[in-house]
Amino acid sequence: TQLLEQSPQFLSIQEGENLTVYCNSSSVFSSLQWYRQEPGEGPVLLVTVVTGGEVKKLKRLTFQFGDARKDSSLHITAAQPGDTGLYLCAGTTSGTYKYIFGTGTRLKVLA
Amino acid sequence: EAQVTQNPRYLITVTGKKLTVTCSQNMNHEYMSWYRQDPGLGLRQIYYSMNVEVTDKGDVPEGYKVSRKEKRNFPLILESPSPNQTSLYFCASSLFSGGNQPQHFGDGTRLSIL
Repeated sequence: TQLLEQSPQFLSIQEGENLTVYCNSSSVFSSLQWYRQEPGEGPVLLVTVVTGGEVKKLKRLTFQFGDARKDSSLHITAAQPGDTGLYLCAGTTSGTYKYIFGTGTRLKVLA
Repeated sequence: EAQVTQNPRYLITVTGKKLTVTCSQNMNHEYMSWYRQDPGLGLRQIYYSMNVEVTDKGDVPEGYKVSRKEKRNFPLILESPSPNQTSLYFCASSLFSGGNQPQHFGDGTRLSIL
């Protein structure tokens, strides 16, 4: 089974701090997605990255896909309490229609 | 409103009593999928369907069945539930199969098997 390892598993920071979440695999992914999940709800898509080396920005969130398409990162600048949630990376490998999800990073931003 | 609807949201039942969790989407999506979410393990795909009458196993299919007789519905069937199937279950759909398609998730079904 292909794995997507996320780190850190838990992160508690003060409002205004910056943070980076990592998503790593030994497999090559045709694309990677990042989702955020809040308690009692299903995950909601934040972004999809498709091309190796691709960088996408969503307000204070910056997503990067590794050159070899085996890893990705999510950087949050000046975190706010509204960023609190479970962040999940997910992807599919070439030639399959299965989705693999990462183990998740639970972020708490304190006011 | 575009949505994925799961029922029930919560269920407590006993070992061996067959149960079905329904999932319906109103977006005319071709791809539908079931996941279970367990602490420390993230979401794991149980089954997926690329279209009507086309289903395939995900990473953890043992103990589960699915069917896709209509495009909008994708029920998850536990024929003989066991305690290790206690989990939070999510149904999701996307327009097409393929990793660059956004998946839309339901709000989840929390199952407890005693």
